[in-house]
Amino acid sequence: NAGVTQTPKFRVLKTGQSMTLLCAQDMNHEYMYWYRQDPGMGLRLIHYSVGEGTTAKGEVPDGYNVSRLKKQNFLLGLESAAPSQTSVYFCASSYSMVGEQFFGPGTRLTVL
Amino acid sequence: QQPVQSPQAVILREGEDAVINCSSSKALYSVHWYRQKHGEAPVFLMILLKGGEQKGHDKISASFNEKKQQSSLYLTASQLSYSGTYFCGTDGGATNKLIFGTGTLLAVQP
Repeated sequence: NAGVTQTPKFRVLKTGQSMTLLCAQDMNHEYMYWYRQDPGMGLRLIHYSVGEGTTAKGEVPDGYNVSRLKKQNFLLGLESAAPSQTSVYFCASSYSMVGEQFFGPGTRLTVL
Repeated sequence: QQPVQSPQAVILREGEDAVINCSSSKALYSVHWYRQKHGEAPVFLMILLKGGEQKGHDKISASFNEKKQQSSLYLTASQLSYSGTYFCGTDGGATNKLIFGTGTLLAVQP
C-alpha cells in the first residue's frame, strides 16, 4: 500500500519547456488535488478533481492544466514553464470532502 | 480568500503550551488542521465540523467557533516532536475544496 506517490521528485526546466507531473494513489479515493507551496504563501490549490473524468479550477490555475482519465491518477501539466512556476508541488487525495487528505512526498520544480 | 493564522511563528521550551489561531472572513462548514515538518509532506491532525464537538488526541486539541468563523489549535506540554509548520484549511461548504492558511511555524527547544 504505497499511498500517494509523485513522479518525478525533482526537475529543472528552462523557460518555455513543458512537462507533466504524475500523481498516483492506491486508496480508491474519489477526490484528488494539486497544490503548490511557496515560502510564506502556504499551500495554494491549483486544480482538483471530484472523480474520474472531472476537473475543476482552484485558487491559482493559470498556466496549468490537469487530467483525470483514471481514478487512481491525476496529471498536472505545464505547457510553457515560467520562472514564477518554480515551487514545490504536492498532490493529495481524500475519500470525501470532509475527510483526511493524504499528501504525496512532493515534486521540487525549478524553472530557469 | 485565505484564512489568517496567528501567530506567524512561535518558539517554545519543552513542556510549555501554545495556541494557534485560524480566522476566516467567510462562513465555515469545517476546519482542518495539518502539521508539516521541514522537507516533508503535510500530515493530517484533525477535522472540526460545524455543529461538532471540540476534538483532540494526546495533548493536541482544537476548537471551532462557528459564529466567529474561527478555530484554535491547542498544544499542551509541548514536545520536541511538535516542531513544524501548522496549517489550517477551511471549507465553506459545498465547495469540494480546502483553502489553506499561510501557516504557523512552531519551534520547540529543549
